[in-house]
Amino acid sequence: EAQVTQNPRYLITVTGKKLTVTCSQNMNHEYMSWYRQDPGLGLRQIYYSMNVEVTDKGDVPEGYKVSRKEKRNFPLILESPSPNQTSLYFCASSFTGYNQPQHFGDGTRLSIL
Amino acid sequence: EDKVVQSPLSLVVHEGDTVTLNCSYEVTNFRSLLWYKQEKKAPTFLFMLTSSGIEKKSGRLSSILDKKELSSILNITATQTGDSAIYLCAAPIYNQGGKLIFGQGTELSVKP
Repeated sequence: EAQVTQNPRYLITVTGKKLTVTCSQNMNHEYMSWYRQDPGLGLRQIYYSMNVEVTDKGDVPEGYKVSRKEKRNFPLILESPSPNQTSLYFCASSFTGYNQPQHFGDGTRLSIL
Repeated sequence: EDKVVQSPLSLVVHEGDTVTLNCSYEVTNFRSLLWYKQEKKAPTFLFMLTSSGIEKKSGRLSSILDKKELSSILNITATQTGDSAIYLCAAPIYNQGGKLIFGQGTELSVKP
């Protein structure tokens, strides 16, 4: 089944404790992206990757890191999480680019205390 | 600054009503606009619009782009409770690599 898988689905943690949210897709997509969703603000892009080893900032990259060492994986790293990073996070992918429909993962709800 | 704005932000209707959701954009080198539906979890793709005036249709949902007005509408006829969701529109920024800007979303609630 074609899918984008995020883990964990839910996480409650404390300020400053490094965490990684994994994202994996099984569709051989070149493009992958991370978004955060906050009430009243819609989806905001954090980072995106056009292909392996190619990543770039979206609109809200501060406090986040990503890497794309393999085509299927695009982890989101919070080196020193803070309460303002409490949010619902989505990973998405598409075959060749952002102007194509994206497949989204089911989301990761992060709470930073 | 590139932006996408949706209206209304929320809407409550009764089953059988027809609704129109709006999406306006100010995007450099605009080429396409996408609509997504988000129920409890992941957004799912509805339509991609590239040409002005050409309606895309899927069942009771339809959408059209107006490049003169820099806007798009999403129509839902004969609404059902299963149409309750957040509807999102998004525009790629073609001169900035893989950037994609979403609107705030319209939360639609359909009452029985």
